[in-house]
Amino acid sequence: KQEVTQIPAALSVPEGENLVLNCSFTDSAIYNLQWFRQDPGKGLTSLLLIQSSQREQTSGRLNASLDKSSGRSTLYIAASQPGDSATYLCAVHSGGYQKVTFGIGTKLQVIP
Amino acid sequence: SAVISQKPSRDICQRGTSLTIQCQVDSQVTMMFWYRQQPGQSLTLIATANQGSEATYESGFVIDKFPISRPNLTFSTLTVSNMSPEDSSIYLCSVVTGYAGELFFGEGSRLTVL
Repeated sequence: KQEVTQIPAALSVPEGENLVLNCSFTDSAIYNLQWFRQDPGKGLTSLLLIQSSQREQTSGRLNASLDKSSGRSTLYIAASQPGDSATYLCAVHSGGYQKVTFGIGTKLQVIP
Repeated sequence: SAVISQKPSRDICQRGTSLTIQCQVDSQVTMMFWYRQQPGQSLTLIATANQGSEATYESGFVIDKFPISRPNLTFSTLTVSNMSPEDSSIYLCSVVTGYAGELFFGEGSRLTVL
């Protein structure tokens, strides 16, 4: 059974700092991995999707990497801004569209 | 990508009542899902909404409690029946699009049961 862990559970950084969020998974036989952002009480916004054959994806200030063999993914946020404050979730897709396992997320606070 | 609209965005309900959540997608999609996110927890898949046939429920979820309709390829509803405080959660509609299987979510429906 796939398990997804996100560390740290919460993170507080000053504005402008670069930061890394971590996601680890137990079964390396994945289809793809997706990072989401969730604002309080709201739905999930897709940030980046990395297919199993890829090593990284970039979108603006965000860069996500994937190391299947070690069961890890990282989300790098450059030059953090207060508007980046949210919970970031990692989701691992394995064995079909229904087989998506989510982490609990990392709650990020960027202090002005 | 896909734009997904959910209604209601939030509601406060009394114990024993039922609430229906609507999900509208801006394009035709084959795969549509309903998730639940309990406070402080990760997302849990309730069921896959199938067009033209009965929904496929995950372990621990039953049709009597969470009836689902999928009349066409752009719309689905989830009903939370005979609600109890334990049903207080965010309910999320989701679709998969594109060859890479990217998931998109609606804005969520935050339900509080008193």
